[in-house]
Amino acid sequence: KAGVTQTPRYLIKTRGQQVTLSCSPISGHRSVSWYQQTPGQGLQFLFEYFSETQRNKGNFPGRFSGRQFSNSRSEMNVSTLELGDSALYLCASGIGTSGAYNEQFFGPGTRLTVL
Amino acid sequence: GENVEQHPSTLSVQEGDSAVIKCTYSDSASNYFPWYKQELGKRPQLIIDIRSNVGEKKDQRIAVTLNKTAKHFSLHITETQPEDSAVYFCAASKPGGGNKLTFGTGTQLKVEL
Repeated sequence: KAGVTQTPRYLIKTRGQQVTLSCSPISGHRSVSWYQQTPGQGLQFLFEYFSETQRNKGNFPGRFSGRQFSNSRSEMNVSTLELGDSALYLCASGIGTSGAYNEQFFGPGTRLTVL
Repeated sequence: GENVEQHPSTLSVQEGDSAVIKCTYSDSASNYFPWYKQELGKRPQLIIDIRSNVGEKKDQRIAVTLNKTAKHFSLHITETQPEDSAVYFCAASKPGGGNKLTFGTGTQLKVEL
């Protein structure tokens, strides 16, 4: 099976702009979670989508949003970018079945730099 | 919410020695505890996980132990090799939390020749 893919791999934006990141999960996986990784804060959960519905949300401002399509691909959007949004954004793919122990597999990440 | 503490933040061992990384979680409802290895510039990779109904799990040189009473779990790597050098993250999740993982802050393991 193909692994989790993310596009683009690298992005450079300026403050105030918005950005959209994409994640394609492993075939058959219906859950996509997004994480922000920074040296200072580590890996922090942004949100999870399962069957096109947001199932969980972390403690990030409303500038961070996401969606999931019927083919399970997911996008996350960050509006009004701030310098502190510079980070590696990782998505994780899982089967997502409720009540199951769900192994999750990460994509390679999108490195976002905000200038 | 759930909080996961991880120690040590850095660990240096000689090749062939054992390495132990410890994590403590706060939410007693947590029931799934994966460990990820992240090499520099690469994605986190799942190396081993344990469910709350199991006390220990082994996979070749890697083992994880879970103490539900104390709410802590540990990663043990035996016969360390230079390719074990990486950042290791522990995580926890609980029923009803979907796939949300709460991560520890990571341990930089360096295996010296």
